[in-house]
Amino acid sequence: RKEVEQDPGPFNVPEGATVAFNCTYSNSASQSFFWYRQDCRKEPKLLMSVYSSGNEDGRFTAQLNRASQYISLLIRDSKLSDSATYLCVVNIARRDTGRRALTFGSGTRLQVQP
Amino acid sequence: DARVTQTPRDKVTEMGQEVTMRCQPILGHNTVFWYRQTMMQGLELLAYFRNRAPLDDSGMPKDRFSAEMPDATLATLKIQPSEPRDSAVYFCASGLVLTGAANEQFFGPGTRLTVL
Repeated sequence: RKEVEQDPGPFNVPEGATVAFNCTYSNSASQSFFWYRQDCRKEPKLLMSVYSSGNEDGRFTAQLNRASQYISLLIRDSKLSDSATYLCVVNIARRDTGRRALTFGSGTRLQVQP
Repeated sequence: DARVTQTPRDKVTEMGQEVTMRCQPILGHNTVFWYRQTMMQGLELLAYFRNRAPLDDSGMPKDRFSAEMPDATLATLKIQPSEPRDSAVYFCASGLVLTGAANEQFFGPGTRLTVL
């Protein structure tokens, strides 16, 4: 089982729609959570951190459910420019070394259509 | 506008050849990461350094891959000999990590490696 799992999609939604992605993680000791965005043939960039109390940044809302070990990202009023792959990222202790490092999910692809 | 730079941006080589990828982290960042991204495996952490010291290279095939940080402005990832299965996009990222907390990582544009 992967340490961080995401539905690869693609999610095809019309402009203005609300879309939500979920991500599950396997290590209950994980402490830090993030969403990164990656455009086609570009590098990943931080979209937002995910706090225990949930947080919002404009049209984007991130939530964390520690009990069920999942993270969600909600995008309201989708824009064409939101089309990208959204990577769920969890700070996990690596099996071999015990050192913590960011572990990336494989990403969920979003395509917003006019 | 500070950013991570990587060279080369694209590299096509033949199996068995040595490949060296270079990264210049953002000035002031104390942690440098090397990742590999493929369609099948996604983004995998290969190795990372803090204050130029290697902290973890458990994600890296030891027999052919090596990562170094000869100074604070340069990190290198070398593959010798290269194999077709090494074809991927290799990203370098840097960040400022304080007291063990995970902070934002800034990624370079990547090196797209094709091994024929």
